[in-house]
Amino acid sequence: DVKVTQSSRYLVKRTGEKVFLECVQDMDHENMFWYRQDPGLGLRLIYFSYDVKMKEKGDIPEGYSVSREKKERFSLILESASTNQTSMYLCASSPRGQVEAFFGQGTRLTVV
Amino acid sequence: RKEVEQDPGPFNVPEGATVAFNCTYSNSASQSFFWYRQDCRKEPKLLMSVYSSGNEDGRFTAQLNRASQYISLLIRDSKLSDSATYLCVVNMPGGSYIPTFGRGTSLIVHP
Repeated sequence: DVKVTQSSRYLVKRTGEKVFLECVQDMDHENMFWYRQDPGLGLRLIYFSYDVKMKEKGDIPEGYSVSREKKERFSLILESASTNQTSMYLCASSPRGQVEAFFGQGTRLTVV
Repeated sequence: RKEVEQDPGPFNVPEGATVAFNCTYSNSASQSFFWYRQDCRKEPKLLMSVYSSGNEDGRFTAQLNRASQYISLLIRDSKLSDSATYLCVVNMPGGSYIPTFGRGTSLIVHP
């Protein structure tokens, strides 16, 4: 079974803190994605990566950065957390090609 | 215009009913399509892929209409356990295929 693991299920951070969300997949997938999910807005793509050290902006990259130093790990960084970044963050991975993506369990981040 | 559009619902149906959801997509070059299911406070999970010829998995049938750029999901004999949000996903072409999600359709099956 494909396993995508996010480091935390729930996280509470203060405004202005630097926040790291970690995602690890164990299936040697080339592609990895970070989405955020908000009520009424669905899943929106923040960043994605199709190879080690490669990254591409998604639809809403502002306020975020990413790091992919190893194939299995894709980190999302909130440089200075703000309350409007309170959301559910979902990491996904997929192999190259037109196949389905597999999701981690999600991190519910609250910024206070 | 959003690239993948779905009616958010909720669709409120009795057990045993047949219910259908549609999803439209804007990029005619899209090649692969999926339906995901998401339970409350959980991650999305693949329900089924959608093939050009249509495909069926038990009570679930998925269809693709390329000419009109929509996909559909039909659920027959609805169960209480089918209550969930159903997400339409289209792999948008680009340098790498990017799963693009509709906002989801909420289904509530009641006794």
